[in-house]
Amino acid sequence: QQQVKQSPQSLIVQKGGIPIINCAYENTAFDYFPWYQQFPGKGPALLIAIRPDVSEKKEGRFTISFNKSAKQFSLHIMDSQPGDSATYFCAVASAGTALIFGKGTTLSVSS
Amino acid sequence: KAGVTQTPRYLIKTRGQQVTLSCSPISGHRSVSWYQQTPGQGLQFLFEYFSETQRNKGNFPGRFSGRQFSNSRSEMNVSTLELGDSALYLCASSFLAPDTDTQYFGPGTRLTVL
Repeated sequence: QQQVKQSPQSLIVQKGGIPIINCAYENTAFDYFPWYQQFPGKGPALLIAIRPDVSEKKEGRFTISFNKSAKQFSLHIMDSQPGDSATYFCAVASAGTALIFGKGTTLSVSS
Repeated sequence: KAGVTQTPRYLIKTRGQQVTLSCSPISGHRSVSWYQQTPGQGLQFLFEYFSETQRNKGNFPGRFSGRQFSNSRSEMNVSTLELGDSALYLCASSFLAPDTDTQYFGPGTRLTVL
């Protein structure tokens, strides 16, 4: 059973658009919700992360929105650029456990 | 500060063989995790080591094993290779734990099983 469901699988937006990637989870014990970005040939890199005590966190053009009651969180990329074209993974974890990753979203930003 | 390094970067083996992959974490990091990445299954957790002890284990058969040395370097071993073991194997390190500190990934070892 998939512990975190990520959607969409792929996404194409125009430069300047705001792609939104969603993740849903079941286990209410999860208390760490990071997003990773992966470029071809590279390992994933932490982009931004949130804890359940806040509903939103912004870092530069990247924003996480967190809905504890719905058990969902999403990544928004403001003013997207061609350089943002990559695969994005959400993940979940609880204290002392390993990260469980979503299946990834391939984002293409066209110029 | 040097990042996570993995060796070798590419490996070709045949079914039935065994393979050992190596990972050097960022200096000072004590937690090392291993993941298998495939197009169909995404990133799947194999195991995590902390201070030479396996702290967490994913849902993989016993053919997959690992260890961590006193300098935090880690190795993973896959015995009796199967075609389905072809994947990118990623190592990641964090200072204490992946859910409290940033987890940094290496570039991975691309394993092809023929």
